[in-house]
Amino acid sequence: GQQLNQSPQSMFIQEGEDVSMNCTSSSIFNTWLWYKQEPGEGPVLLIALYKAGELTSNGRLTAQFGITRKDSFLNISASIPSDVGIYFCAGQIQGAQKLVFGQGTRLTINP
Amino acid sequence: GAVVSQHPSRVICKSGTSVKIECRSLDFQATTMFWYRQFPKQSLMLMATSNEGSKATYEQGVEKDKFLINHASLTLSTLTVTSAHPEDSSFYICSARDEGFGQPQHFGDGTRLSIL
Repeated sequence: GQQLNQSPQSMFIQEGEDVSMNCTSSSIFNTWLWYKQEPGEGPVLLIALYKAGELTSNGRLTAQFGITRKDSFLNISASIPSDVGIYFCAGQIQGAQKLVFGQGTRLTINP
Repeated sequence: GAVVSQHPSRVICKSGTSVKIECRSLDFQATTMFWYRQFPKQSLMLMATSNEGSKATYEQGVEKDKFLINHASLTLSTLTVTSAHPEDSSFYICSARDEGFGQPQHFGDGTRLSIL
């Protein structure tokens, strides 16, 4: 079945640093989504991407839908303590209802 | 917009009890809702796709008689864990998607189920 490889699995950074994470797949996806999950809560949608090559920002977050449709990245600029959490990428194949999730990137920030 | 409410947020009960979890889309209609299970430090695992007015579609390995799903209206889906046992303890999360084309899934806050 489809799989998403998300990296890195974890990141330990200093406050103020920029963060970059990505997801790759051997399958072509029609939609890429990025979610953030905090402990004991459900994932919250950060950015949705629908076109190959699309670059979308949400505040300090920027995500891109890879031109090959097999990858996506998420960047966080000037990290702050509230950015701590687990970030998941998710892809959706055309015609499919369900999402395929990456394994998550756990972000820890040292103040 | 796109708020999904899940209730209860936490359940602790004895082995053998059946537990019902509700998932509601508050400000949109959702023909399709999804139920996930998440183990500690792992990603979300899709259990089933809930379709309004029809039977749910279960993922391979998920017991449909154990995890009963009902999607009786465009804003409510329920997951009932029947005769729950300690191995059913987990974090269960629902999601819903607005009917509009290309709308992403929005998630509820999850239910922490602990079976003693």
